[in-house]
Amino acid sequence: SQQGEEDPQALSIQEGENATMNCSYKTSINNLQWYRQNSGRGLVHLILIRSNEREKHSGRLRVTLDTSKKSSSLLITASRAADTASYFCATDEGGTDSWGKLQFGAGTQVVVTP
Amino acid sequence: DTGVSQNPRHKITKRGQNVTFRCDPISEHNRLYWYRQTLGQGPEFLTYFQNEAQLEKSRLLSDRFSAERPKGSFSTLEIQRTEQGDSAMYLCASSRMRDRVDGYTFGSGTRLTVV
Repeated sequence: SQQGEEDPQALSIQEGENATMNCSYKTSINNLQWYRQNSGRGLVHLILIRSNEREKHSGRLRVTLDTSKKSSSLLITASRAADTASYFCATDEGGTDSWGKLQFGAGTQVVVTP
Repeated sequence: DTGVSQNPRHKITKRGQNVTFRCDPISEHNRLYWYRQTLGQGPEFLTYFQNEAQLEKSRLLSDRFSAERPKGSFSTLEIQRTEQGDSAMYLCASSRMRDRVDGYTFGSGTRLTVV
């Protein structure tokens, strides 16, 4: 079963605009991670946020985590055509220092048009 | 080290045949994970290893599926008596427990088609 649910399922924007996608999950987590997948390829790790953190930045990416609402958001600023991909959130439900299995959502498909 | 390597990239097999996939993780990574992904879905967890020990298996991993990681290096995933429902992308990932800041590193996957 999949723990996270991304919203929206699909997002179409123009270059230069910001893209925001959300992830909701059901159980308590150790950390939450975001991954990107280009069509037919493996996943690439983007950013990890631990359960005691509320916000993290990495380049044009900003991730927030609200454990009280069991939700996270990923913001991509000033999007580029190369950002076209599927984005997945994944939760680590394990105990202290888990790094066991990750539970992935179904993903948000983002299309950035020039 | 060029990352996680999976072979073959594509495999077409007839129903009822056995198939085996190989994954070579990043050499200093002691954890190795197998996932399965179908079209339009996120990856589903199958199993993971720490060194040579298999620590967890999903209920998805029926008795037709077996995974090994001899000597804690490469891993193999075997599917016996394949069924059409086994058609999917099989993804391998590895991670290093020591720093745990970079997430998993995924391979490009093996796409299995059962005809």
